[in-house]
Amino acid sequence: RKEVEQDPGPFNVPEGATVAFNCTYSNSASQSFFWYRQDCRKEPKLLMSVYSSGNEDGRFTAQLNRASQYISLLIRDSKLSDSATYLCVVKTQAGTALIFGKGTTLSVSS
Amino acid sequence: DTEVTQTPKHLVMGMTNKKSLKCEQHMGHRAMYWYKQKAKKPPELMFVYSYEKLSINESVPSRFSPECPNSSLLNLHLHALQPEDSALYLCASSQDSGQGGWGYTFGSGTRLTVV
Repeated sequence: RKEVEQDPGPFNVPEGATVAFNCTYSNSASQSFFWYRQDCRKEPKLLMSVYSSGNEDGRFTAQLNRASQYISLLIRDSKLSDSATYLCVVKTQAGTALIFGKGTTLSVSS
Repeated sequence: DTEVTQTPKHLVMGMTNKKSLKCEQHMGHRAMYWYKQKAKKPPELMFVYSYEKLSINESVPSRFSPECPNSSLLNLHLHALQPEDSALYLCASSQDSGQGGWGYTFGSGTRLTVV
């Protein structure tokens, strides 16, 4: 079983739509969780950290369910500029680096 | 300065060449990383430096040789590469590799082509 699994998509949605991405991780000792965004031929950029209590940043809401080892990202009122690949990222324990899921591709059209 | 700077942005090298990739950050981060990313794949960890010491080597072939001259610089020396080593090489840094909750700052990468 892969450490971090995501539905690769692509998700094709119209502007204004709400879209949700899911991610599962296999290591129950995982400590830190993130969503990164990567545009084509660019580097990954941190979108938001994910906390157990859930957190929101504008149109973006992230949730973590430790019992189910499940992470989600909700994007409301999608914009054309949201088109990118969204990477679910987990840090397993202190002293180790980030582990990336394969990414979910989002395409928002007008 | 909140950036990680990588040079060169593009590199084409022959299989017998020796070249180096460079990475620099001035954010006071004490952990630096090399990742390799192939097309349509996620970044894969190669090396982790923590406080200028190599702490993780993910079984990377010896034709890749990392070096951390000081806390702001990270190099990746390349020698006798194969065409399948062609990829985007990403450098990243974070406050401390041992701290949970810190995201990484990535450089824009070096796109390497081995011919």
